[in-house]
Amino acid sequence: AQSVSQHNHHVILSEAASLELGCNYSYGGTVNLFWYVQYPGQHLQLLLKYFSGDPLVKGIKGFEAEFIKSKFSFNLRKPSVQWSDTAEYFCAVNAMGNSNYQLIWGAGTKLIIKP
Amino acid sequence: KAGVTQTPRYLIKTRGQQVTLSCSPISGHRSVSWYQQTPGQGLQFLFEYFSETQRNKGNFPGRFSGRQFSNSRSEMNVSTLELGDSALYLCASSNDRERYGYTFGSGTRLTVV
Repeated sequence: AQSVSQHNHHVILSEAASLELGCNYSYGGTVNLFWYVQYPGQHLQLLLKYFSGDPLVKGIKGFEAEFIKSKFSFNLRKPSVQWSDTAEYFCAVNAMGNSNYQLIWGAGTKLIIKP
Repeated sequence: KAGVTQTPRYLIKTRGQQVTLSCSPISGHRSVSWYQQTPGQGLQFLFEYFSETQRNKGNFPGRFSGRQFSNSRSEMNVSTLELGDSALYLCASSNDRERYGYTFGSGTRLTVV
């Protein structure tokens, strides 16, 4: 069965630090990839998505992610985090060609930015 | 434009009862998906409805059911509630061009006692 792994469950950084959150999936075929974010007290929001084309995807609020097919990875990055980036981040994968068109979610990474 | 609206926001039910949750999608979105979110299991897919038809279903028991109306509003029902059904139930809508580019609602927090 397809699965999505987010290796870091909790990350604590200081403001202005660089961020990279890992996401790996297990599926050998074509995938659509997503990062969602849940700010404290708010609903889940789409941060960025990859369907095809340029493997470097830019999203909202200065976030970007790179799809590396050979590594089955879609890591989220931000060069300089802010206190307002404190949130929980979820990676999700849709395995194209899978007859059960589910979006498979990672367990989430809680990011805390120290001011 | 209005977001995805879920009602009620909070519910407390007793074991064995049933519950119905409601979701109104963004105008123009015909796909509605339901998820269960718990600290231990994370986000688990329940089902997806599109044009009043269940298009996809997760691995939940038959006690969990749903439906969609002609105006795309959706309801999910859980019968014979168990303590383990306590969770945040999220509804997400999308248009068919970007099927998983979800817009989520704030959720319904269900507590079963």
